[in-house]
Amino acid sequence: DGGITQSPKYLFRKEGQNVTLSCEQNLNHDAMYWYRQDPGQGLRLIYYSQIVNDFQKGDIAEGYSVSREKKESFPLTVTSAQKNPTAFYLCASSIGAGRKLNTEAFFGQGTRLTVV
Amino acid sequence: AQSVSQHNHHVILSEAASLELGCNYSYGGTVNLFWYVQYPGQHLQLLLKYFSGDPLVKGIKGFEAEFIKSKFSFNLRKPSVQWSDTAEYFCAVNAQEAAGNKLTFGGGTRVLVKP
Repeated sequence: DGGITQSPKYLFRKEGQNVTLSCEQNLNHDAMYWYRQDPGQGLRLIYYSQIVNDFQKGDIAEGYSVSREKKESFPLTVTSAQKNPTAFYLCASSIGAGRKLNTEAFFGQGTRLTVV
Repeated sequence: AQSVSQHNHHVILSEAASLELGCNYSYGGTVNLFWYVQYPGQHLQLLLKYFSGDPLVKGIKGFEAEFIKSKFSFNLRKPSVQWSDTAEYFCAVNAQEAAGNKLTFGGGTRVLVKP
């Protein structure tokens, strides 16, 4: 089936450790996104990538890093610099990221990260 | 930069009642508008979207939304809800002129439908 796969579903991390969340898509989409979901705050954009080997900071990029070495993959690293990392992380993709291109985003099932 | 506000954080209603969820955005240019739904334990799914044309948009599961440009609003409606409509609903906007196709989301509304 075509779609977006995030792994793992649940992740526990000790304070001070970096952790990487996986996101893979087989939809042949150019654009990929990482959002963070917190209760009452909706989804906030962390990073996005319009094309391979390129990515841009979103609204809350501090303490996070990404890479886009392959079209299908957009891993997110939550570093020890992220002050409040416990959250639900959602990966998304869309067919294109060009200007005035009207497309919707498709979402993965999310990874719930808990810092212990 | 655009922003989105959803007026209600929680809504509780009985089956067969009508539902209306408010969504207002702030952005001066042309926008694409979306409503997403997140059922318990499931991933975010698109309910409906507006890009251009008829401002009354019909989506899946009997939902519809009306774009009122003068009010910067995109309210979601369903005439008669079912227990299975219990979910969290998110309004989202992206600016057509902006690169990156970034979506800006509202804070979400949790809807509980009592059987």
